[in-house]
Amino acid sequence: EAQVTQNPRYLITVTGKKLTVTCSQNMNHEYMSWYRQDPGLGLRQIYYSMNVEVTDKGDVPEGYKVSRKEKRNFPLILESPSPNQTSLYFCASSRGLSQITDTQYFGPGTRLTVL
Amino acid sequence: AQSVTQPDIHITVSEGASLELRCNYSYGATPYLFWYVQSPGQGLQLLLKYFSGDTLVQGIKGFEAEFKRSQSSFNLRKPSVHWSDAAEYFCAVSSYGGATNKLIFGTGTLLAVQP
Repeated sequence: EAQVTQNPRYLITVTGKKLTVTCSQNMNHEYMSWYRQDPGLGLRQIYYSMNVEVTDKGDVPEGYKVSRKEKRNFPLILESPSPNQTSLYFCASSRGLSQITDTQYFGPGTRLTVL
Repeated sequence: AQSVTQPDIHITVSEGASLELRCNYSYGATPYLFWYVQSPGQGLQLLLKYFSGDTLVQGIKGFEAEFKRSQSSFNLRKPSVHWSDAAEYFCAVSSYGGATNKLIFGTGTLLAVQP
């Protein structure tokens, strides 16, 4: 089954404790991205990657890092989490950049709470 | 800058009734427009998309949307709502081309369905 998986699905942590949220897709997609979803703000893009070793900032990259060492994986790293990073995080992937032909597929989300 | 407005935060309809969810966009050129649905605990699923041509777009699950350039709107409709349609609905816009497949999301409309 074609899918985007994220782990963990739920995480409660404390300020300053480094964490990684994993994202993996099994569709051989080139393009992957991370969004955060906050009440009243919709989804906002954090980082994206056009291919292995190619990443760039989205709209709200502060406090986050990403890496793309393999095509299928795109982990989101919070080096020193803060309470304002409490949010629902979505990973997405698509075959390419064409909005016409390349539908974005979203993972199930990771709900992160930083105390 | 591109933006999407979903004026209704929460809507309740009776099962079997018709539904219309509003979406207004701000974009200089012809936008690419999308509707996504997020069921409880699930990721986002694409319902339909508009790029050009016929302004009435058919999607999955019996949904349709109409692009009206004069009103900068892309409202989502369904003639008869089912209880399983209870979910959060997001309208999104994307720019043409560029180096990112970024979607700009609205803040979402939460749909409740009464028996």
